Amino acid sequence: LAKTTQPISMDSYEGQEVNITCSHNNIATNDYITWYQQFPSQGPRFIIQGYKTKVTNEVASLFIPADRKSSTLSLPRVSLSDTAVYYCLVADGGNRDDKIIFGKGTRLHILP
Amino acid sequence: DVKVTQSSRYLVKRTGEKVFLECVQDMDHENMFWYRQDPGLGLRLIYFSYDVKMKEKGDIPEGYSVSREKKERFSLILESASTNQTSMYLCASSLLPGQWGGWQYFGPGTRLTVT
Repeated sequence: LAKTTQPISMDSYEGQEVNITCSHNNIATNDYITWYQQFPSQGPRFIIQGYKTKVTNEVASLFIPADRKSSTLSLPRVSLSDTAVYYCLVADGGNRDDKIIFGKGTRLHILP
Repeated sequence: DVKVTQSSRYLVKRTGEKVFLECVQDMDHENMFWYRQDPGLGLRLIYFSYDVKMKEKGDIPEGYSVSREKKERFSLILESASTNQTSMYLCASSLLPGQWGGWQYFGPGTRLTVT
């Protein structure tokens, strides 16, 4: 049973801000939200992680509303090199019995 | 920088062969994972380990086994390779505490073809 739902694909243009939303209606109290980026023929790469409100790092921002039933990854001023698959993962930080489920991801295509 | 390395980027094996995929991490992480990734199916967890000699089944353990004799090394074993095990195999590790299911570091992957 998937814990997250994301759009299958998105297109955007260079220089635009891109927002990818992930739904996780059944998120549990101890769950963290983590986003990964994957390029072809490479392993996923950690982008950002959060629990609530807003988190920002040098790569992206993560917005989490108060009910935590969704989250939005925001990529500022994208470039062609941001073309990749983005995965949203919801998992318990300290529970070994929690199932680790990656969804099918969002394929982001940046156009010139 | 955390480094997770996998023994091969590409591997071709014959049906029925025993296959070993090796993964090594250099950050003293407690947890290690094996996934396979197939088009349209995303990443699926095969096995994971939270300590030396400990292992837990993931979503698709059938046809696979694992070994963790040392903290830094996690091996995936295909006892008798079959064509439906042709896939990209990804190893990952993560740090405790509080990051069990979340922040994982992935290796570059091994693309295995079974003929």
